[in-house]
Amino acid sequence: AQSVTQLGSHVSVSEGALVLLRCNYSSSVPPYLFWYVQYPNQGLQLLLKYTSAATLVKGINGFEAEFKKSETSFHLTKPSAHMSDAAEYFCAVSDPGRRALTFGSGTRLQVQP
Amino acid sequence: EAEVAQSPRYKITEKSQAVAFWCDPISGHATLYWYRQILGQGPELLVQFQDESVVDDSQLPKDRFSAERLKGVDSTLKIQPAELGDSAMYLCASSLETTGVEQYFGPGTRLTVT
Repeated sequence: AQSVTQLGSHVSVSEGALVLLRCNYSSSVPPYLFWYVQYPNQGLQLLLKYTSAATLVKGINGFEAEFKKSETSFHLTKPSAHMSDAAEYFCAVSDPGRRALTFGSGTRLQVQP
Repeated sequence: EAEVAQSPRYKITEKSQAVAFWCDPISGHATLYWYRQILGQGPELLVQFQDESVVDDSQLPKDRFSAERLKGVDSTLKIQPAELGDSAMYLCASSLETTGVEQYFGPGTRLTVT
């Protein structure tokens, strides 16, 4: 069975500071990995995805993530936080043979002025 | 830009009543998913369709929940009777069959059971 662990349910950073959101996964097969963002009372928007190509993945809005197989991690980073980045972020994993996503419990990012 | 449509956006119902949610996926997307997201948690899969067929409904509480996608296009999720613990956001997503990697989510239906 697959699972996703997001360390830190709340992360607070200052505007302009580095954003680091942590995600570790477990999977019995090479996984597909995703980061989604959710704004209040809205659906999920895909930030980026890893599908066994380059291990450093660049996404929208300046976010990127690095797949590290040895650490079973897929942490999300952004060099400089903007106020508009304040939202809930979800890491997700899927088995290529079963496309449904297994999500982590989410990390709420606060950006302080 | 094509989007997944869901209605209603918000629904308040009393326990023991019936409630239904509707989803229209992006045109041409053969795979459709219903997820439930309890406040403060990540979404969890309820049911997955490939065209009109159910691929996975192992987490669907079948004593009260039902889902259909009769013509392989839009889908309806029903709860009867609703319970207090059903209060959640219900998200619909769709993906292309050939790739299936990227799922596109609708805005969700926020259900409150009183």
